[in-house]
Amino acid sequence: AQSVTQPDIHITVSEGASLELRCNYSYGATPYLFWYVQSPGQGLQLLLKYFSGDTLVQGIKGFEAEFKRSQSSFNLRKPSVHWSDAAEYFCAVLTTDSWGKLQFGAGTQVVVTP
Amino acid sequence: DGGITQSPKYLFRKEGQNVTLSCEQNLNHDAMYWYRQDPGQGLRLIYYSQIVNDFQKGDIAEGYSVSREKKESFPLTVTSAQKNPTAFYLCASKEGDQPQHFGDGTRLSIL
Repeated sequence: AQSVTQPDIHITVSEGASLELRCNYSYGATPYLFWYVQSPGQGLQLLLKYFSGDTLVQGIKGFEAEFKRSQSSFNLRKPSVHWSDAAEYFCAVLTTDSWGKLQFGAGTQVVVTP
Repeated sequence: DGGITQSPKYLFRKEGQNVTLSCEQNLNHDAMYWYRQDPGQGLRLIYYSQIVNDFQKGDIAEGYSVSREKKESFPLTVTSAQKNPTAFYLCASKEGDQPQHFGDGTRLSIL
């Protein structure tokens, strides 16, 4: 069965510092991978997606993610965080069946300090 | 603007009562999904629907029911059989291989 692991439940980062959020997946084939961001009390907004091709994917809000098949990882990065990046971040993989279901990680809460 | 509208934003339920959460989309998407979100557990799939008049159980369907009579609407009923209904509920839709779009959620609490 597919699974998604986000090892870090909570990360604190200073404004202006770099950020990296980890995501590992268990999947038998080439996965479709996503990162979503959620502000408190809101729905999820898509940051970026990986389907195939270039393993470094650019997203919105200055985020990027790198797909590494050898490590079964899809880590999210941002070179310099802003206070508005404080939110919860979810990694997700599209399941193998034909129903388009997403399997989500448990999420990483990002706190940005001044 | 096209999008997904969930209503109400906050909902309170008495013990033993059924409540229905609304999800409407004007994106003309075929597929729609309901998720439950609890702290520290990410999103778990309750029900999903690929086309009108068809839907499938997700991972945690017990105590919930849905209908899909119209393409744009996918209401979720939380029945009295759901013993721990307090959660944040998210509706999503998608078309083909494109990513899911999410509504802003409904927070359900028990009085």
